[in-house]
Amino acid sequence: GENVEQHPSTLSVQEGDSAVIKCTYSDSASNYFPWYKQELGKRPQLIIDIRSNVGEKKDQRIAVTLNKTAKHFSLHITETQPEDSAVYFCAASIIAAGNKLTFGGGTRVLVKP
Amino acid sequence: GAGVSQSPRYKVAKRGQDVALRCDPISGHVSLFWYQQALGQGPEFLTYFQNEAQLDKSGLPSDRFFAERPEGSVSTLKIQRTQQEDSAVYLCASSLPRDTGVQGTEAFFGQGTRLTVV
Repeated sequence: GENVEQHPSTLSVQEGDSAVIKCTYSDSASNYFPWYKQELGKRPQLIIDIRSNVGEKKDQRIAVTLNKTAKHFSLHITETQPEDSAVYFCAASIIAAGNKLTFGGGTRVLVKP
Repeated sequence: GAGVSQSPRYKVAKRGQDVALRCDPISGHVSLFWYQQALGQGPEFLTYFQNEAQLDKSGLPSDRFFAERPEGSVSTLKIQRTQQEDSAVYLCASSLPRDTGVQGTEAFFGQGTRLTVV
């Protein structure tokens, strides 16, 4: 089955700096890659996603890049703000196979004011 | 409802007790998923329904775990003879609205049920 590895496990950045989180996946059939943000005690919420037919997607301060050949994808957050502090999870799935998500282990991001 | 709703939010069970966790998905969503999230880890897939059909239960850790969605809307995850290793947050997610021409992929999560087995 699919295996998703996520690095780093913790990330501390100064407010205004950029944060980058990297994930690798094992199943070349995976074609959908969402990123979720989870604040303490709350539900995971989708912040951005990308399908395998594109290499990059951007939404304001958040961008995701995908390298299908190398089977890795990354989340980039620019101009970080204290409210970006949370745990971020990457995930991978095969849309046609029901789209069940395999998650990475998570990255705890702390943005210091 | 506006989002995925789960109940109870918190459940404390004595070891050996049976528990039932409820999920109300977003109205009209075809797909429903259950995930288990241990402390400090990412959610792990348990089972998947498309309408009332349970299409994948490969993630259920043992035969003590059972899920159903009899009418294709509300789902219940039941755990029999709970053990301490069952302590976790159980998340429900729904996706894929009916009557859409586009295959929706975003999964909307509930707030989860935190199960503590003592």
